[in-house]
This record gives sequence, structure tokens and C-alpha cells, in this order.
Amino acid sequence: EAGVTQFPSHSVIEKGQTVTLRCDPISGHDNLYWYRRVMGKEIKFLLHFVKESKQDESGMPNNRFLAERTGGTYSTLKVQPAELEDSGVYFCASSQAQVGEKLFFGSGTQLSVL
Amino acid sequence: SQKIEQNSEALNIQEGKTATLTCNYTNYSPAYLQWYRQDPGRGPVFLLLIRENEKEKRKERLKVTFDTTLKQSLFHITASQPADSATYLCALETGGFKTIFGAGTRLFVKA
Repeated sequence: EAGVTQFPSHSVIEKGQTVTLRCDPISGHDNLYWYRRVMGKEIKFLLHFVKESKQDESGMPNNRFLAERTGGTYSTLKVQPAELEDSGVYFCASSQAQVGEKLFFGSGTQLSVL
Repeated sequence: SQKIEQNSEALNIQEGKTATLTCNYTNYSPAYLQWYRQDPGRGPVFLLLIRENEKEKRKERLKVTFDTTLKQSLFHITASQPADSATYLCALETGGFKTIFGAGTRLFVKA
């Protein structure tokens, strides 16, 4: 069974540019999450999808971040325009339908904004 | 808001010894708590889940305890091996499907 896959694994962009991160969850997982780890800090929750609906986007830093999950399959996270403080590792995770189910994480996208 | 505290200092132990990692939390009392392992360049990998009505959970060489009065969980690795070297993350549910993570504790097991 394929795990959670994220693309790209690394992205280096200049301040002001746009970047789109992609996440393919495990097939059949309705729940999809985005997290971010800024250097030296904990992994922080960004948002949660159930199928194509945003259930909780309380962790999104500001309106420069836009997440979508059209059709309830893969998800994208777009940062436009990127700022220096957006640098970090962006993780995607998925889980099955029940509350308390373990999260399956992808390997993350290392984003560097110069 | 919910806060999770894990020892930010690395834990260095000798192979064969038991490693004990601590997770303390404030405010909200979670219905369950999870532990994950993270290796460099990889995403966290789930290890164990313990519910609020469980005092202890075991899986092979791993043991987790959950004290809801102290608001603390302890994570033990017995007969530790160099391959156990990694960062270990404590995670709590904060209502519904939202899970938050501690910053993690790095464990180094020396041969």
C-alpha cells in the first residue's frame, strides 16, 4: 500500500514568488491534514480536510496560504506571495474516518524562501 | 490554549539501558495521547496511542503511561538499541480530529 506522498521534496524560491505544494494521501483516507515545522519549533497544525471540505483551518498563518482538496483526493497548499518566515518543512498527513486514528505522515516538503 | 512540554535537551543513554521520555501538558484534558518517532528528513511515524481511561500501554519494547491527574505521559524504551536513536514526539488531541505536537526529545543510544 502506498503511503502519503508529497511533492516536491525541496523547494527554493525567492521572496514574493508563489509555490504550490502537493500531497497525495493514502487511498481511502477521508481526513487530510497540513502541518508545518519551522526550524527549532514544534510541528504546528495548519488545517484539516474531511474529503473536500475544510473542517478546521485555525492554524493557517494568514491569507497568503490557500489549501484546496478538489474531489476529496489529493490536496495542494499554495503560498502566494511567499515571505522569508514561510520557510520550514511542510508535512501532510492522512487518517481514516474515526476520531483518534493515528496519523500517517508524508516525508514533507522543505521550503526555503530567500 | 493547549501546551505540550517535552524535554528539549537530548537524552544520551548506553545501549541496553531503558530510555524514559517525558511529556507534560497543560489545560485541556485529552481523550487520548499518542507518541511518534521522527528520523531526520522523514515525517513522524506513529508508535503508540493511549486513552484517558488507560494507565499503561505496551508494544514490544515500548511502554507508555498516562497520568491524567499529573497531566503527564512517560514513554519508555527498554533494552535500547542504537537503532532507537531518533526524535520522539508526544501528540494530543484537542477535540475532534485536531492533533497537536510537542517539540520532541532527541534520543541518542550509544553502542
